[in-house]
Amino acid sequence: RKEVEQDPGPFNVPEGATVAFNCTYSNSASQSFFWYRQDCRKEPKLLMSVYSSGNEDGRFTAQLNRASQYISLLIRDSKLSDSATYLCVVHSQAGTALIFGKGTTLSVSS
Amino acid sequence: DTAVSQTPKYLVTQMGNDKSIKCEQNLGHDTMYWYKQDSKKFLKIMFSYNNKELIINETVPNRFSPKSPDKAHLNLHINSLELGDSAVYFCASRPSGTGDGEQFFGPGTRLTVL
Repeated sequence: RKEVEQDPGPFNVPEGATVAFNCTYSNSASQSFFWYRQDCRKEPKLLMSVYSSGNEDGRFTAQLNRASQYISLLIRDSKLSDSATYLCVVHSQAGTALIFGKGTTLSVSS
Repeated sequence: DTAVSQTPKYLVTQMGNDKSIKCEQNLGHDTMYWYKQDSKKFLKIMFSYNNKELIINETVPNRFSPKSPDKAHLNLHINSLELGDSAVYFCASRPSGTGDGEQFFGPGTRLTVL
């Protein structure tokens, strides 16, 4: 089983749609969780951290379920500019590396 | 005023050559990283340095040698390049006193080995 698994997509949605991405991780000792965004031929950038209580940043909502080892990202009212690859990222402990999923590709069309 | 910069941006070279990629960050961060993103877009850690000291060294061929002359620079030297080394190499840095998740990536170096 891969350490961090994501549905690669692509997800093709119209503007204004709500889309949800899921991610599972294998190491139950993982401590920190994140979503990164990577535009085509660009570097990854931190989108948001993910907390057990769930957190929201504008149109983006992230959820963590530690019991199921499952992370989600919900994007409401999709914009053309949301088209990118979304990377689920897990960190086990300080001094170790971030583990990146392969990413889920989103394409928003008008 | 670029935060994390890498040179060169593109590198095309022949098998067997030796090449270097440079990385510099002007953010005052103590920790820097090298990642490799292959053709399947899988982003994987290679090395991590904290204040010029190697702290993460994943299973990477010893043809790859990182060097950190000071905490603002982390260079990557690759000997005897192979076809499989073709990838995008990203440098990243992290603020001190924060969790490892908030990393700032450079624009990447696209290496093509012919």
